[in-house]
Amino acid sequence: SQQGEEDPQALSIQEGENATMNCSYKTSINNLQWYRQNSGRGLVHLILIRSNEREKHSGRLRVTLDTSKKSSSLLITASRAADTASYFCATGSNSGYSTLTFGKGTMLLVSP
Amino acid sequence: DVKVTQSSRYLVKRTGEKVFLECVQDMDHENMFWYRQDPGLGLRLIYFSYDVKMKEKGDIPEGYSVSREKKERFSLILESASTNQTSMYLCASSYGFQETQYFGPGTRLLVL
Repeated sequence: SQQGEEDPQALSIQEGENATMNCSYKTSINNLQWYRQNSGRGLVHLILIRSNEREKHSGRLRVTLDTSKKSSSLLITASRAADTASYFCATGSNSGYSTLTFGKGTMLLVSP
Repeated sequence: DVKVTQSSRYLVKRTGEKVFLECVQDMDHENMFWYRQDPGLGLRLIYFSYDVKMKEKGDIPEGYSVSREKKERFSLILESASTNQTSMYLCASSYGFQETQYFGPGTRLLVL
């Protein structure tokens, strides 16, 4: 069953603009992760935020987590054409014995 | 750097053939995973393994089996390939069940 759901499904912006993607989930989590996938390739881990953290930064990436709303956002600042990819959130539920559950992704297109 | 390799990038098989997809990781990870990725459906977990010779079903195990004889190698087997198994197959490994997963480049399988 799908846990995280990304929004929007697709996003098109110009280079230099900021891109914001959101992820909502249903059950309580231990952590939430964001991954990037370039066309036809494997996923690459971007950032992990734990349930007791509210915000995390990595380079041009900023992730927030609101456990009361069961949602997270990924902000990419000053986007570049090379950021064009699909972005997935993945959640680790804290109920029982479970692995990560991935959402369906947001497809980001950054035009030069 | 963690490296996860998959035996083939592209594979074309006939219906009814037995298909082996192999995955090797070089970071001594306990956990290994097989996903399939289809447009509009995101990543779906087929099987995972948390130790040598141990395996657990994921969300969509039907039509697949797995083998883990050595810690670094996790094989996905399609006993009798069918056209609805045409997909992108992704292997991943991690230290903990819900920790960062490291993905291979993927195998795009076409079953004719």
